[in-house]
Amino acid sequence: GQSLEQPSEVTAVEGAIVQINCTYQTSGFYGLSWYQQHDGGAPTFLSYNALDGLEETGRFSSFLSRSDSYGYLLLQELQMKDSASYFCAVKGENAGNMLTFGGGTRLMVKP
Amino acid sequence: GAVVSQHPSWVICKSGTSVKIECRSLDFQATTMFWYRQFPKQSLMLMATSNEGSKATYEQGVEKDKFLINHASLTLSTLTVTSAHPEDSSFYICSASHRGDGLAYEQYFGPGTRLTVT
Repeated sequence: GQSLEQPSEVTAVEGAIVQINCTYQTSGFYGLSWYQQHDGGAPTFLSYNALDGLEETGRFSSFLSRSDSYGYLLLQELQMKDSASYFCAVKGENAGNMLTFGGGTRLMVKP
Repeated sequence: GAVVSQHPSWVICKSGTSVKIECRSLDFQATTMFWYRQFPKQSLMLMATSNEGSKATYEQGVEKDKFLINHASLTLSTLTVTSAHPEDSSFYICSASHRGDGLAYEQYFGPGTRLTVT
């Protein structure tokens, strides 16, 4: 089976940098994804890491360490609109296109 | 590209009735679609994996006779909640992958359907 752990809530101020961690335990691992979901909305894809290292996409970056079963999402120059829930998700080997989601981290950005 | 729609966006029904939710991939063919359930401030719980032309694969604890899934074409999957009860009230979200080889890492989500059973 798969299990993922991430903090339930994080609070930060506008313009700051915040890191959301995700640790996982899986029977097989293919890659780690991150999704953003605003209240009442659909999850939207942010990033994917299959290999160790940092992937940067604008203000957002995602990091993976396969040996540590650990990844994080880094959000820079925080804006109010970044207030949302962020989910890490694991794609397991031989799982087809199925993803297993973490519990989600609710990010609150304050002025 | 990669747009997924859901209909209806919200529905209120009485206990004992059935409700059908449609999930469509608008600009791509979705070999696989997924149905999730989400309670307020909680994570996405996978209910079932829907494959075009075959029976859905249900997650443990999900009643297949209560949550009927049909994936009749490469662009449409439906979830029917039969004999709905108030505890079935939830946010139901579908997603789709556009690759059939199991190598897709991105899922495209529909906007969700909020079901309230009175």
